[in-house]
Amino acid sequence: QSVLTQPPSASGTPGQRVTISCSGSSSNIGSNTVNWYQQLPGTAPKLLIYSNNQRPSGVPDRFSGSKSGASASLAISGLQSDDEADYYCAAWDDSMNGPHWVFGGGTKLTVL
Amino acid sequence: QLHLQESGPGLVTPSETLSLTCTVSGGSISGSSYYWGWIRQPPGKGLEWIGSIYYSGSTYYKPSLKSRVTISLDTSKTQFSLKLSSVTAADTALYYCARLSPYTSSSLFSYYFDYWGQGTLVTVSS
Repeated sequence: QSVLTQPPSASGTPGQRVTISCSGSSSNIGSNTVNWYQQLPGTAPKLLIYSNNQRPSGVPDRFSGSKSGASASLAISGLQSDDEADYYCAAWDDSMNGPHWVFGGGTKLTVL
Repeated sequence: QLHLQESGPGLVTPSETLSLTCTVSGGSISGSSYYWGWIRQPPGKGLEWIGSIYYSGSTYYKPSLKSRVTISLDTSKTQFSLKLSSVTAADTALYYCARLSPYTSSSLFSYYFDYWGQGTLVTVSS
């Protein structure tokens, strides 16, 4: 059971806009920023969005992130076949047990 | 361009200690503000952060793994290492090393994993 909750799957057709949600709590998303990672099959995760809504250089502006309260979302517009991947959200958690990074369980995006 | 490469045994016996090294090339690991970390991914499952170490040597570990984990830096070799003791089959995973970089804006200070190694599969089995 992951600390951050993501839907296990999402899908869309080429050209569509899809969103992936990430739900947390006051100790993680509610008080810290969110990062998003894309993991293509058989490869290491790649940074997609950092600090809620910042795109690293090289990431198309089709990808955007937002955060509201203890939840965050990743939006992908103009869906393409090579967007088919697993997507993970991550945030720092100021837990009483000791601060640590937490990840969502991942969302498998299928391009139909 | 920074490059990270994990290395270590691919098979570890239950109850023994898993030891991995991450070699960093194309940059220094003693530069200020960066953390260096380990993340793992069991086969077919999601990502799990194990721990991170600051350039100064201070560490953060996942609470549930803290009693078994040690992460250390060897700046002379531009390497950092992971030791996980008393392993079980549940520790079988693809282990990644990664760099944590800071981001500062007018209102926010945060970190993110920007560079990742390709990962190394460690199987715990007798």
